Amino acid sequence: AQKITQTQPGMFVQEKEAVTLDCTYDTSDQSYGLFWYKQPSSGEMIFLIYQGSYDEQNATEGRYSLNFQKARKSANLVISASQLGDSAMYFCAMSSIKAAGNKLTFGGGTRVLVKP
Amino acid sequence: NAGVTQTPKFRVLKTGQSMTLLCAQDMNHEYMYWYRQDPGMGLRLIHYSVGEGTTAKGEVPDGYNVSRLKKQNFLLGLESAAPSQTSVYFCASSYSRNPSTDTQYFGPGTRLTVL
Repeated sequence: AQKITQTQPGMFVQEKEAVTLDCTYDTSDQSYGLFWYKQPSSGEMIFLIYQGSYDEQNATEGRYSLNFQKARKSANLVISASQLGDSAMYFCAMSSIKAAGNKLTFGGGTRVLVKP
Repeated sequence: NAGVTQTPKFRVLKTGQSMTLLCAQDMNHEYMYWYRQDPGMGLRLIHYSVGEGTTAKGEVPDGYNVSRLKKQNFLLGLESAAPSQTSVYFCASSYSRNPSTDTQYFGPGTRLTVL
């Protein structure tokens, strides 16, 4: 079975500073994908970044980067130069080719509040 | 290109009533999913489909039925709504079956309240 753990229920970050959101995962599969989604107060789920289990380099997308440490089974999201619009819930999720329907398993989320 | 759309956006039902949620995607994706999100929690998979005419149960399928008669549409039905089905429902779709590239794109959600 797959499991995603996000240990930070909520955190504050000062505008323009960087913030790291923790995510650890548990799986016995060799091939899997790790994803981060953002959910603002409006409710939609916005895809941010993904990392494949065989990717050797950490994924980056603009101000988002994924710190992938395979041996530790962690996939932390780093948001650089935080903006007020980054205030939202952030979910880590994983998918595996062995998971029925390629479904995503989600963590419980981390709420980020950016302070001006 | 609208992506993934869901109708309705909000709905209030009385216990025992039935309803259908419609999901449509215009990205020619093979896979489609229905998730529910309860307060303070991540999403849990209800049902999914790997192609037109196919459906399968997810993690929390009880009380729901689905149909995928057309590739672009995925319907979620509640035959007899219960207060425990009060939730936000998300539809998602994805193209390939490779977990290394298979990003799921989500609709805006439907907020359902069952009284």
